[in-house]
Amino acid sequence: QKEVEQNSGPLSVPEGAIASLNCTYSDRGSQSFFWYRQYSGKSPELIMSIYSNGDKEDGRFTAQLNKASQYVSLLIRDSQPSDSATYLCAGRTTSGTYKYIFGTGTRLKVLA
Amino acid sequence: DAGVIQSPRHEVTEMGQEVTLRCKPISGHDYLFWYRQTMMRGLELLIYFNNNVPIDDSGMPEDRFSAKMPNASFSTLKIQPSEPRDSAVYFCASSFIGGVRNTIYFGEGSWLTVV
Repeated sequence: QKEVEQNSGPLSVPEGAIASLNCTYSDRGSQSFFWYRQYSGKSPELIMSIYSNGDKEDGRFTAQLNKASQYVSLLIRDSQPSDSATYLCAGRTTSGTYKYIFGTGTRLKVLA
Repeated sequence: DAGVIQSPRHEVTEMGQEVTLRCKPISGHDYLFWYRQTMMRGLELLIYFNNNVPIDDSGMPEDRFSAKMPNASFSTLKIQPSEPRDSAVYFCASSFIGGVRNTIYFGEGSWLTVV
C-alpha cells in the first residue's frame, strides 16, 4: 500500500462547478499536508498547505484535513479550464526528520 | 531568488552510458530532495539530504544510482550504467524547514531518455 493514495482520474467537471479531489494517507506520523498542481510538462507548484484538522480557505481553493480518518481533500470552486492539471497530494512525516511523500496525482479536466 | 536550478533539462543517452544530473538548491535551504516521476509510479522520493548529509536513500532503486551533496549549493544524481527503464523526469527540490510556507520547491526537472 502506498503511503499517500489518490484516485488517478481523470475527473471531469464543467466550467463553474466545484471540483473535489481526495487523498488518503497511511502514516499517522504525517503532520503536514500539501496540495500541488502540475501542468503537463511542468514541475509541481504549491497550491495549499494544511496542518490542523478542519478547513483552510484560500481564494477559490479549500483544503480539508481529518486526521482521525487520515483523509485530505481539496475543493476548487468556480472551476476554470485553466485549472485543468494534475493535482498531487503530499504528506510530510516528522518522525526523526522531514520526508515528503506524494500521491500519484489526480488528473482534473474542466470542460468549457 | 533564482529558484531550484537543474541541469541538463533534457538528455538522451544510450543504454550503458553514465548519466549525471545536477542541482543547485535555493540559497539558505537546508533540505534537498531528489524525486523521479513516471506515468506508472508517479513522483517517487529517491533520496534526501539535510545540511548536505544523506538522511534516507531507501528510495534509490538500485546500486546503479548514487547521489552526492558536496556542499550546500550543489548536488548530483548519477546513474551508471543507465538502462531504458531509467527513462523518467528527475526533479530536485529544496526546503527550509523553518520557513513560513514550510514546503518544498521544485526545479524544472531533468527529462532523461535512455535508448
